[in-house]
Amino acid sequence: DIQMTQSPSSVPASVGDRVTITCRASQSISSWLAWYQQKPGKAPNLLIYAASSLHSGVPSRFSGSGSGTDFSLTISSLQPEDFATYYCQQTHSFPYSFGQGTKLEIK
Amino acid sequence: EVQLVESGGGLIQPGGSLRLSCVASGFTVTSNYMSWVRQAPGKGLEWVSGINTGGTTYHAESLKGRFTVSRDNSKNTLFLQMNSLRAEDTAVYYCAREGGGASSFDSWGQGTLVTVSS
Repeated sequence: DIQMTQSPSSVPASVGDRVTITCRASQSISSWLAWYQQKPGKAPNLLIYAASSLHSGVPSRFSGSGSGTDFSLTISSLQPEDFATYYCQQTHSFPYSFGQGTKLEIK
Repeated sequence: EVQLVESGGGLIQPGGSLRLSCVASGFTVTSNYMSWVRQAPGKGLEWVSGINTGGTTYHAESLKGRFTVSRDNSKNTLFLQMNSLRAEDTAVYYCAREGGGASSFDSWGQGTLVTVSS
């Protein structure tokens, strides 16, 4: 099974900051990597698919990069509504797996 | 509009069984891979089970033999049969559609809470 490791587990930040979250796969997953945002009490929302493609309706301040085993999600200028928890997910092969999550907190 | 609505959660004693349902609208469940994902209180997301367009099913290794995913094409509904439930199965269970690029999950239900406790 493929293990996904995210870092950091939490990141304090301020509105306007540039933030990068990283995700590492235990084996190569090519570009089969998605990023989700989840707010308390809500279902996750898709942000990025295929490692770097922006899902419809997602603001352009979100971007993804990477391939193989190392990936990152960058928010170029944090907005108040971006404070949430972010998860990466590999869809290369079953069983699909998620990273443990990164909580973006207000500094 | 694509919509997923889960139901069937509740309080169940350890060792009991429960069947969750996920009614889809705006698309047919046979046209997409579908999955169940769970989230224990205060914890992260855990992929549970999936079913492809041909009906082949997949399960997390740790849950094999206890959880089974299926679908009813006539009702456009996805199911998760959960047996021999344990306290650690307590979680919100989401169904999700694999409709985004590169098999990403573009639509999710609101979730249904399963609490396993005596």
